[in-house]
Amino acid sequence: GQNIDQPTEMTATEGAIVQINCTYQTSGFNGLFWYQQHAGEAPTFLSYNVLDGLEEKGRFSSFLSRSKGYSYLLLKELQMKDSASYLCAVRDVSSGNTGKLIFGQGTTLQVKP
Amino acid sequence: DVKVTQSSRYLVKRTGEKVFLECVQDMDHENMFWYRQDPGLGLRLIYFSYDVKMKEKGDIPEGYSVSREKKERFSLILESASTNQTSMYLCASSLGAGYTFGSGTRLTVV
Repeated sequence: GQNIDQPTEMTATEGAIVQINCTYQTSGFNGLFWYQQHAGEAPTFLSYNVLDGLEEKGRFSSFLSRSKGYSYLLLKELQMKDSASYLCAVRDVSSGNTGKLIFGQGTTLQVKP
Repeated sequence: DVKVTQSSRYLVKRTGEKVFLECVQDMDHENMFWYRQDPGLGLRLIYFSYDVKMKEKGDIPEGYSVSREKKERFSLILESASTNQTSMYLCASSLGAGYTFGSGTRLTVV
C-alpha cells in the first residue's frame, strides 16, 4: 500500500529555521516532491528529489533518504509570506503507469513575528 | 510557463445535477490529473489520463467519470452530484516528473 505521513501543523518565528518531515511507504517510488500552497490557491512546485541527499534552492532545501523512506523540507530565514501549507508527494510508478503523485495531508506552517 | 486553466473558480450545484468541471492546459502535456482536496485528507487522486481517450481510476473514482477527447482538455463529470462531493477540485498536467496545477474549482453541492 501507500502511506505518506507529515505533521499537521507547525509554528515558527520569523527569521528562524524550520524543518518539515515526511515519511512514506510506497511500492513504486520514483521521486519525492514538495509543494507550497497558500490558502485558496493552487499548489506550486518547490523541490524534487529522486536520489539520496540534499537539494538546495535558495532559502529552501529538501533532503531524501530512500532506504529510510524519509524526506524533510528545510526553510531558512523564515518570512511571514512562508505561512502556508507544505505538501509532501511521492511519485508512484507501480502498476506500469506513467507516474501518479500521492500526497500527504499537508503541514500547515504558521510564521509568527 | 505552463498554464492550466480551470473554467470555474466557484460553483454551486443542486443534489442530483450532472456537473462538468473543465480543465485545459496549453503545453502539449501527455498526462492530466484530477484531484479533490479536503481538510485533513489532503489531495486525493480521482482519475488521471496519460493520452487522448485514455483514462485510469485513481484512489477515489466512485461517483465520477472523465473525458479526454483532445490532448489539451480533461473534463471531470459528476454524474449525479451529492453533498459529499462538496470539495475543492484541482486539475494538474505533467510531461514528466513535475506537475502544474490549475487554480482549483470550489464546488458546493446543496
